[in-house]
Amino acid sequence: AQKVTQAQTEISVVEKEDVTLDCVYETRDTTYYLFWYKQPPSGELVFLIRRNSFDEQNEISGRYSWNFQKSTSSFNFTITASQVVDSAVYFCALSETGRGAQKLVFGQGTRLTINP
Amino acid sequence: SQTIHQWPATLVQPVGSPLSLECTVEGTSNPNLYWYRQAAGRGLQLLFYSVGIGQISSEVPQNLSASRPQDRQFILSSKKLLLSDSGFYLCAWVTGQGHYGYTFGSGTRLTVV
Repeated sequence: AQKVTQAQTEISVVEKEDVTLDCVYETRDTTYYLFWYKQPPSGELVFLIRRNSFDEQNEISGRYSWNFQKSTSSFNFTITASQVVDSAVYFCALSETGRGAQKLVFGQGTRLTINP
Repeated sequence: SQTIHQWPATLVQPVGSPLSLECTVEGTSNPNLYWYRQAAGRGLQLLFYSVGIGQISSEVPQNLSASRPQDRQFILSSKKLLLSDSGFYLCAWVTGQGHYGYTFGSGTRLTVV
């Protein structure tokens, strides 16, 4: 079965520091998709990025960047020059196929606190 | 535009009482619908999903049930709530194979007392 592991339960840094959130996944599918979601204190899940298994190019979006490495089954997320507004719980997720529907399998989440 | 509505936002219910949480989507047809639960300080666990009217798949045995009476309506229910049913419940939808990301509702925070 698919599995997503976010080993870092909590991370706390000072504003303007760079921080990397780790994500390791397990799957036997050759085609799969990886996601990152942000959950601010209000609770809603905000979609950040989707990456398919055939595209190993790293992606940068402003202060956010993602490093996808199939060789190590990792999809890490880096925030550069962190800001207090980045404080949230971040989830890594893997799409899984089952009985006609895609299902998202989530990691346990990493609680990121950016201190001023 | 495509939107998802979930209510109520918060709910406090006594042990043994019934539950009904509703989720509706707009602006799309024949979506796949999902119910996730997030226990305090933990990750998201898939409870149920549905690929069509009347079609419900359960991921984990539990005290809850789900129904899909209409294409864009997904209901989470319980006949008798347990303390362990407390948590944050999120509804989500996706069209097609879901590889373009799921859209989540704003969630219902349920406290069973």
